[in-house]
Amino acid sequence: TQLLEQSPQFLSIQEGENLTVYCNSSSVFSSLQWYRQEPGEGPVLLVTVVTGGEVKKLKRLTFQFGDARKDSSLHITAAQPGDTGLYLCAGPNKPRDDKIIFGKGTRLHILP
Amino acid sequence: GAVVSQHPSRVICKSGTSVKIECRSLDFQATTMFWYRQFPKQSLMLMATSNEGSKATYEQGVEKDKFLINHASLTLSTLTVTSAHPEDSSFYICSARPQGGGKETQYFGPGTRLLVL
Repeated sequence: TQLLEQSPQFLSIQEGENLTVYCNSSSVFSSLQWYRQEPGEGPVLLVTVVTGGEVKKLKRLTFQFGDARKDSSLHITAAQPGDTGLYLCAGPNKPRDDKIIFGKGTRLHILP
Repeated sequence: GAVVSQHPSRVICKSGTSVKIECRSLDFQATTMFWYRQFPKQSLMLMATSNEGSKATYEQGVEKDKFLINHASLTLSTLTVTSAHPEDSSFYICSARPQGGGKETQYFGPGTRLLVL
């Protein structure tokens, strides 16, 4: 089973600041996904990255897939209280596997 | 599009009783559905993979006789927690993969909060 390590586990910053959270593995992933989950709700897909070195932008969120496809980062510019939530990265357990595994997540809290 | 619902959203039951949770894909057909469990402040842990018309595949450490899964149609999967105990209290989330969807494609339900007294 492949593992996804997310860091930091917790992050609390002021509104308007920038931040980056990371998702790392010793294994190569064919793709990685980022989800955001709010308390009491299911995860919502933000983005899927597939190509090594790929960068995708979603408004103030920038996602990058490492060249070797072993890691990914999420950068948020000018964080807002609405960005508060649990950010999870996920990827296929094995190349031909049906299952997706999740990292433990980064719990982000943006202070107004 | 691609909406997945779960029912109930919350349930409280007494120890020893059974609880059924439904997962429905509202606007697409799903050959595969997944059931996850999430304890407070933790990530999602896959419990089982459910394929329509066949037996579910359970992850290591998940008791198939305790967590009964039925995927009788392309839009409905159910998880029954039998003889529930307080340690089964958790947030149960399902996801559904559309027919023909790639393995990265899963749409998640809103979750069901189970509290066993």
